[in-house]
Amino acid sequence: SQELEQSPQSLIVQEGKNLTINCTSSKTLYGLYWYKQKYGEGLIFLMMLQKGGEEKSHEKITAKLDEKKQQSSLHITASQPSHAGIYLCGEQYNNNDMRFGAGTRLTVKP
Amino acid sequence: DTGVSQNPRHKITKRGQNVTFRCDPISEHNRLYWYRQTLGQGPEFLTYFQNEAQLEKSRLLSDRFSAERPKGSFSTLEIQRTEQGDSAMYLCASSQPVVAKNIQYFGAGTRLSVL
Repeated sequence: SQELEQSPQSLIVQEGKNLTINCTSSKTLYGLYWYKQKYGEGLIFLMMLQKGGEEKSHEKITAKLDEKKQQSSLHITASQPSHAGIYLCGEQYNNNDMRFGAGTRLTVKP
Repeated sequence: DTGVSQNPRHKITKRGQNVTFRCDPISEHNRLYWYRQTLGQGPEFLTYFQNEAQLEKSRLLSDRFSAERPKGSFSTLEIQRTEQGDSAMYLCASSQPVVAKNIQYFGAGTRLSVL
């Protein structure tokens, strides 16, 4: 069972629009990772957040971890077709494995 | 290519057959992980190695699943007597915790179809 809840499950946006994906945990997050996955392929690491209130950006993608460290958001500005894919949030568990949300499938219409 | 490499990319097998997948991690990474991913779900942890030692295997799905990393480099995941429910994507990841905050880097996966 997934312990991280992602919303929405899927998202269709017009190219150029901004969008936000959320990842919520019922427990404090001690390390929150964002990955992107193209259909049928492996996961590509995007960003890692550890501190409450932390925010990181890479190109047009910004990820934030809230002060309570129970929710993270991923924001894409001016979306492009290359942003399409499945976005997964994951948390470090027992300092060993990663536990993931079910993912958000993003479609960007040209 | 210095990323995580998995072979084969696709495997089709008949129910009851044994299959083996290989993972070559990033060369300086001492941790190696195996995950399974089914359609519409995030990856599910199976097992991991630190060098050649398998430190967690209680989450392997059944005793038909086994993994090895004999020399602390590449790893193999074997599924014996495959069942249709084993059909999934099997992902391998590697990390170097001391250097890079245990960020796991994933391979492209092996997609298994059991007929």
